[in-house]
Amino acid sequence: DTGVSQNPRHKITKRGQNVTFRCDPISEHNRLYWYRQTLGQGPEFLTYFQNEAQLEKSRLLSDRFSAERPKGSFSTLEIQRTEQGDSAMYLCASSADIRVGSYEQYFGPGTRLTVT
Amino acid sequence: GENVEQHPSTLSVQEGDSAVIKCTYSDSASNYFPWYKQELGKRPQLIIDIRSNVGEKKDQRIAVTLNKTAKHFSLHITETQPEDSAVYFCAASKRAAGNKLTFGGGTRVLVKP
Repeated sequence: DTGVSQNPRHKITKRGQNVTFRCDPISEHNRLYWYRQTLGQGPEFLTYFQNEAQLEKSRLLSDRFSAERPKGSFSTLEIQRTEQGDSAMYLCASSADIRVGSYEQYFGPGTRLTVT
Repeated sequence: GENVEQHPSTLSVQEGDSAVIKCTYSDSASNYFPWYKQELGKRPQLIIDIRSNVGEKKDQRIAVTLNKTAKHFSLHITETQPEDSAVYFCAASKRAAGNKLTFGGGTRVLVKP
């Protein structure tokens, strides 16, 4: 499968616990985006990377959220001290280099987080 | 920042009829407008997109139109089929903002056989 993959697909955790999600982008895509989607809403931008550099973080991303892409390939999104309001689908998308004219973002299947 | 409004929120059509979904955006610098289809429990799937230097683009039964002056763009689905039933999202982005997507609220389309 050459598409974007995410793990785990589902995560149930208790309030106050830490969770970490992983995203593997399409091979050779140098841009990687994280979005959050709550039920009935469109995805909301959280942060994005070009290669290993994190270039922007949304105001939605509180200090409890951190993302990394250490080698410019896979990325992780960690949420510390989870709250019930963190319950959502966390989507990852990847895109080829826009310098070659590629704008399309392809999404992974998402990680559904439930905080009890 | 960018704001994208999408209408209608729900759309019910008879099989074979056309469906039209409309979106408006606020940032005149936005230059890329994709449309995604999302089935229940599935990932958003890119179905068509348009860039600001083009007014219309068509791919089989799906077409997108863009009016830069009015800052709105629309998705047209002709000869609808039951498998077109899904939630459709429009989005806007600009290269200067890293091409991050700002999504509309979605349109739930139901195609009745």
